[in-house]
Amino acid sequence: DVKVTQSSRYLVKRTGEKVFLECVQDMDHENMFWYRQDPGLGLRLIYFSYDVKMKEKGDIPEGYSVSREKKERFSLILESASTNQTSMYLCASSSDRGRHGWTEAFFGQGTRLTVV
Amino acid sequence: QKEVEQNSGPLSVPEGAIASLNCTYSDRGSQSFFWYRQYSGKSPELIMSIYSNGDKEDGRFTAQLNKASQYVSLLIRDSQPSDSATYLCAVNRRGGANNLFFGTGTRLTVIP
Repeated sequence: DVKVTQSSRYLVKRTGEKVFLECVQDMDHENMFWYRQDPGLGLRLIYFSYDVKMKEKGDIPEGYSVSREKKERFSLILESASTNQTSMYLCASSSDRGRHGWTEAFFGQGTRLTVV
Repeated sequence: QKEVEQNSGPLSVPEGAIASLNCTYSDRGSQSFFWYRQYSGKSPELIMSIYSNGDKEDGRFTAQLNKASQYVSLLIRDSQPSDSATYLCAVNRRGGANNLFFGTGTRLTVIP
């Protein structure tokens, strides 16, 4: 089974702190994603990576950066946390080698971040 | 126009009934369609994928795809209280992982 693991289930950080959210997948997937999920807004893509050191901005990249130094690990960085970044953060991965080409996305357990 | 639209609900059905969840999408070039279930406070988990017009059945779940109408649905037969969750429709537009779009989800409650 695909396993996507996020480093923390719950985090509380102070405004202005630099925050690192880590995600690791064990299925040799090429693609990794970071989403945030807020009530009524659904899943919104922050950043996407399709290969090591490659990244693309999603719908809401402002205030975030990412790092993918190894294929299995994709990190989300909040440069200076703000209260409006309080949210559920979801990491996902997928492969380009499915029977229909690209496969479905598999999600980690989520990190609920509170910025105070 | 949103890429993927779902009725946010809430949708309530009695235990044992059929729950019908609907989703429309805007891009006719969309190729892959997925249904995810998300329990409160948890992450989405894939329950069905469908790629061709018609029906696909898996246990109590049936996904239906109509590309001409740009419509995909999920039927849950013999609904159970454990099916109470938010169901997310996801559509991959033209292949390539960065073309995956999610609806905002439909909240389903199955009443015992």
